[in-house]
Amino acid sequence: GENVEQHPSTLSVQEGDSAVIKCTYSDSASNYFPWYKQELGKGPQLIIDIRSNVGEKKDQRIAVTLNKTAKHFSLHITETQPEDSAVYFCAAYDTGGFKTIFGAGTRLFVKA
Amino acid sequence: GAGVSQTPSNKVTEKGKYVELRCDPISGHTALYWYRQSLGQGPEFLIYFQGTGAADDSGLPNDRFFAVRPEGSVSTLKIQRTERGDSAVYLCASSLGTLEREQYFGPGTRLTVT
Repeated sequence: GENVEQHPSTLSVQEGDSAVIKCTYSDSASNYFPWYKQELGKGPQLIIDIRSNVGEKKDQRIAVTLNKTAKHFSLHITETQPEDSAVYFCAAYDTGGFKTIFGAGTRLFVKA
Repeated sequence: GAGVSQTPSNKVTEKGKYVELRCDPISGHTALYWYRQSLGQGPEFLIYFQGTGAADDSGLPNDRFFAVRPEGSVSTLKIQRTERGDSAVYLCASSLGTLEREQYFGPGTRLTVT
């Protein structure tokens, strides 16, 4: 089955700087990779996703890159703001069934 | 429109008791997922419904856990003989269908077993 590893577990940046979170996956057949943002006391919220037929996707200050050969994908947040502070999860869709396998999460702190 | 809702938001129960957790998916979403999230961890898949049937229940940890979705909309996660290790946030998500992978999560039910 699929396994997803996420780094770093904690990330602290100054407001305006960029933040990068990296994930690796094990199943080379996985074809869908979402990223979620979770604020305290709330459920995860989908912020961006990428499918295996593209290498990069961008939505305003957020971008995701995918390297299928190396089986890793990354989230890039530019011009970070205090409201970006949250826990971010990467995930991969397990093609063996209907599961989405999540990484352990990255707690992002954006200091004003 | 309305998002995924879950009730109750918090549930405290004693070890050995039975609990039911409810999920109301987004209207029109045929796919429904249950996850369990322990403190400091990512959501862990439990079960997936397509319509009324459980298409993948491989994530249920043991036979104390059971879920139903009798009319293809609301789902109930049932836990028998609760144990302290069952304490976690139980999340529900829905998506338009199997091919539409975008999942929308509810706020979760925090279960505490004392």
